[in-house]
Amino acid sequence: DIVMTQTPLSLSVTPGQPASMSCKSSQRLLHSDGKTYLYWYLQKPGQPPQLLIYEVSNRFSGVPDRFSGSGSGTDFTLKISRVEAEDVGIYYCMQSIQLPLTFGGGTKVEIK
Amino acid sequence: EVQLVESGGGLVQPGGSLRLSCAASGFIFSNYWMHWVRRAPGKGLVWVSRINNDGTSTNYADSVKGRFTISRDNARNTLYLQMNSLRAEDTAVYYCALYSSLSYWGRGTTVTVSS
Repeated sequence: DIVMTQTPLSLSVTPGQPASMSCKSSQRLLHSDGKTYLYWYLQKPGQPPQLLIYEVSNRFSGVPDRFSGSGSGTDFTLKISRVEAEDVGIYYCMQSIQLPLTFGGGTKVEIK
Repeated sequence: EVQLVESGGGLVQPGGSLRLSCAASGFIFSNYWMHWVRRAPGKGLVWVSRINNDGTSTNYADSVKGRFTISRDNARNTLYLQMNSLRAEDTAVYYCALYSSLSYWGRGTTVTVSS
């Protein structure tokens, strides 16, 4: 199975300040079709997960442009340019290049 | 608007069975692969199973293989998860999710396995 490792475990951020988190995979996520199957999700308290970013850097419909994804190979990053109160929750990365789909352990974002 | 609504969760004794349902609307259900993902208390997200659009191909996590069965009824726009031989470690919120990118998720249904 592909292991997804997220760091840090938690972040405490002042509103308006940037935040960044990392996701590393134990295998490369680049498919022969040219796509990299790395996704980011946010699970807000009491809510289901919601897709933020697909295929490394594409924002899903309705996702604010303060969220951005980058990376390649086995190293990926999610950045929030200016954190807002509504961004609190647990952020998960996921790979779907190989079964089983696997998620990182999550990065919990809190507001100072 | 895409809607996924899970149901069927509850309290069950170890060794028991439950069938979860996920009612879909707002999209052409028969066109899309569907997944089940769970989150145990205090833990992260874990993929459970997937099924292709016409129900002819299924895959499972090793932890549920041989105990859980995913299926779908495209005429009823409904996804199912039959869970047998339940264990305490199956206690979780179970979510259905749409497509390979898990683009949309339901709100989940809670399964508690305890005596």
